[in-house]
Order: sequence, then structure tokens, then C-alpha cells
Amino acid sequence: AQSVTQLGSHVSVSEGALVLLRCNYSSSVPPYLFWYVQYPNQGLQLLLKYTTGATLVKGINGFEAEFKKSETSFHLTKPSAHMSDAAEYFCAVSESDMNTGFQKLVFGTGTRLLVSP
Amino acid sequence: ETGVTQTPRHLVMGMTNKKSLKCEQHLGHNAMYWYKQSAKKPLELMFVYSLEERVENNSVPSRFSPECPNSSHLFLHLHTLQPEDSALYLCASSQDTRAATYEQYFGPGTRLTVT
Repeated sequence: AQSVTQLGSHVSVSEGALVLLRCNYSSSVPPYLFWYVQYPNQGLQLLLKYTTGATLVKGINGFEAEFKKSETSFHLTKPSAHMSDAAEYFCAVSESDMNTGFQKLVFGTGTRLLVSP
Repeated sequence: ETGVTQTPRHLVMGMTNKKSLKCEQHLGHNAMYWYKQSAKKPLELMFVYSLEERVENNSVPSRFSPECPNSSHLFLHLHTLQPEDSALYLCASSQDTRAATYEQYFGPGTRLTVT
């Protein structure tokens, strides 16, 4: 079974600083990878996804992530944090049921991003 | 209404009550999901429906009973819950369950408190 590890349950940055949220996955096949964001009292919203092709993926709100197969990582970055980026971020990998072909998402435990003025 | 909506947004119920959570998607998707989100734990997939047929049930206790009358609506019927069932229940939809590239669209969730 696939698994996702997000290092650091909380990450604190100052406004304008670089944001780096880490995600490592385990997968026996080429993975499909996702980053979701959850703002307070809301559901999850897709930030970006990697399927095939270019390993650097750009998403909404200035975020991007790079798929590194050799490191089994898919870290999320943003050059300059904004107060509105404060939220919880979830990394996920798609897992396939060999019998049914059903695809499901396996999520990490999330990282809460705190942005200080 | 757009996207995925859920009602109610907040629910407090006693252990002997019966209540239902409702989810509606306005995206024309064929698959719908129920997730449980508890503090400090990964999202737990509870149920999946594809074209109104249940395709996944992750060993969820029988006190949770899903219903999918059509591809736009999904219900979660609750009865004789336990305090540990208190959590945020998220509904999601996607185009299909068979393509790994299809992202899931989430509703805002129902915050459930069992007293």
C-alpha cells in the first residue's frame, strides 16, 4: 500500500519568506501526486497535481512542487509567503486497487502553515 | 449553487439520535466519496460510489449507513454514534473512480459532535 509522509505538523514563516512544505511518498509504481489546501472551516481545495511530463508543476496562488523520483519527494514551495497562505496543506498519492481498478487518494497527516507579519 | 455543498455545516447529536448528512455536487461528476477527518490523523476514506453503486467500503461501522440515490446526491445516515465519531465529515466528488489523474472536489464538511 502507498503511504505519504509530511515532515513537520507545523511550519512557521514570516510574511515574504520562502515556504517549503515537505512530502515524501512510497509507491511501487509511477505515482500521481497531489497537494491540497484546507482553509479554516472549509473543505480541501486542489493546489496542484503531478501526473506525467514536466516534473516541476505550477499550481494556484503562486505555489509549485517538484517531483523527484530519486528522492521519492514532492515538496511544495512558494517564493514569498502571504498572510492569506495560512492554512493546512495535505499531500496525497493516488493508489490503485489491482482487482477493481478503483483509484483512491492516500493522504498525509497534513502540515499547518503559520504566517507571521 | 456551484461545486460541492454539504448540509448541515454543524451537527450536535446524542448517542441515541438518528440524523443524516447530505451532500450535493453540481459538477456533473460520476463518483462521490465520504471522508472522516479527525485531528492529527490522515483523512479516512469511508465510502465511495460510482454511478450510484458502492465500490468501496473501508470497514466502516454499521452505525454509518450511506445512500446514493443519484449521481448528484449522497447521504450519510447516522445512528447510535459514539463520542469518538465526533469529527469533520467531508464529501467529495470526481469525474470517475478509475482514472488516477482525476482530482477530487471537496465540500466544506459537516462538523459533527456526539455527546
